[in-house]
Amino acid sequence: KAGVTQTPRYLIKTRGQQVTLSCSPISGHRSVSWYQQTPGQGLQFLFEYFSETQRNKGNFPGRFSGRQFSNSRSEMNVSTLELGDSALYLCASSLKGVNTEAFFGQGTRLTVV
Amino acid sequence: DQQVKQNSPSLSVQEGRISILNCDYTNSMFDYFLWYKKYPAEGPTFLISISSIKDKNEDGRFTVFLNKSAKHLSLHIVPSQPGDSAVYFCAASSMEYGNKLVFGAGTILRVKS
Repeated sequence: KAGVTQTPRYLIKTRGQQVTLSCSPISGHRSVSWYQQTPGQGLQFLFEYFSETQRNKGNFPGRFSGRQFSNSRSEMNVSTLELGDSALYLCASSLKGVNTEAFFGQGTRLTVV
Repeated sequence: DQQVKQNSPSLSVQEGRISILNCDYTNSMFDYFLWYKKYPAEGPTFLISISSIKDKNEDGRFTVFLNKSAKHLSLHIVPSQPGDSAVYFCAASSMEYGNKLVFGAGTILRVKS
């Protein structure tokens, strides 16, 4: 069974631009969560989607948004990029609704210059 | 508000000996706990989890212990192998928060051969 796939693996963007990251969860998994990892803040929860609905949101500005499609694939978008958005963005998929293992993709390394 | 704490930034262990990684939490709503292993620039790899209704869970060389009264959990790796050298993250979730995971800051484990 294929794991969680994130594309692209690496991105370089300029301040002020926007970016879209993609995540394909494990087949059959309905929950997709996004996390940001930075050296200073560690792994921080961005948001979770379950059956195309955002179920939970972390403490990030509105520039960070996401969506989930009917096939459970998810995208996250960051608009008006800032230097501080440079990070590893991780997607995790889970089979059930709550209290279950989350499996992570390889991540997308975003560099904002 | 750091709800999940891993107070040891690093741990060094001799090959073949036991590695014990510790994690404390403050939010009594947490009812599911997970351990992940992570290499730089990669996504976390799920190791083992435990529900709050249990106090121990084993999977091969990995055992997680949960002490709810002390709000403390630990991961035991026996025997430790050089390939276990990585960053280990403790994470917690609650049915109240869907699949949102709250991560600790991580502990770097070095297993010396």
